[in-house]
Amino acid sequence: DAKTTQPPSMDCAEGRAANLPCNHSTISGNEYVYWYRQIHSQGPQYIIHGLKNNETNEMASLIITEDRKSSTLILPHATLRDTAVYYCIVRAGVGNSGYSTLTFGKGTMLLVSP
Amino acid sequence: ETGVTQTPRHLVMGMTNKKSLKCEQHLGHNAMYWYKQSAKKPLELMFVYSLEERVENNSVPSRFSPECPNSSHLFLHLHTLQPEDSALYLCASSQEARRGGEKLFFGSGTQLSVL
Repeated sequence: DAKTTQPPSMDCAEGRAANLPCNHSTISGNEYVYWYRQIHSQGPQYIIHGLKNNETNEMASLIITEDRKSSTLILPHATLRDTAVYYCIVRAGVGNSGYSTLTFGKGTMLLVSP
Repeated sequence: ETGVTQTPRHLVMGMTNKKSLKCEQHLGHNAMYWYKQSAKKPLELMFVYSLEERVENNSVPSRFSPECPNSSHLFLHLHTLQPEDSALYLCASSQEARRGGEKLFFGSGTQLSVL
């Protein structure tokens, strides 16, 4: 699986957009970009994933560059409850195995302040 | 509420004790996982069960013994643990990846302290 690089920490003011970057310059054509977040003392929570096109759901938007070497997770209106560690993971499709072996790195600690 | 329930939420045990962690999922998923998260370290995948069969065992010491009696329940049996085994133990489940992608649903974890 391709390696990802994320800043260790970021700050964001409440109500503003939080833009979390992720570099994955060695990504292969069949690898997806996944984002999860982990609020303190809880289990990680799936946010969004994509392959080539930009994606949006009720939680966030995922912008993937045309060359797919980097991506940005956007929380459009950050709240205090968005304070968490955000993980960017690159992983090929599971094929026929039917189960996941996602590897979590250190992620970005996002602190949303009033 | 993620649909994955772990009990107990906190556990303190001595090195000679035997205890079990329980995980239950109400999502109809057919794969279940145990992860370990030590302080200030990334999550480590310990075990994977797919269709009730263990398919991954990432060099985990034998003092950790998983059990998956059915697709909704997963246990982690603990015996003669060491203080360095103190960590947050997380259970997760997923549906067949071909239909849903690699979406893992995690429980809130069991915070384990070994004295």
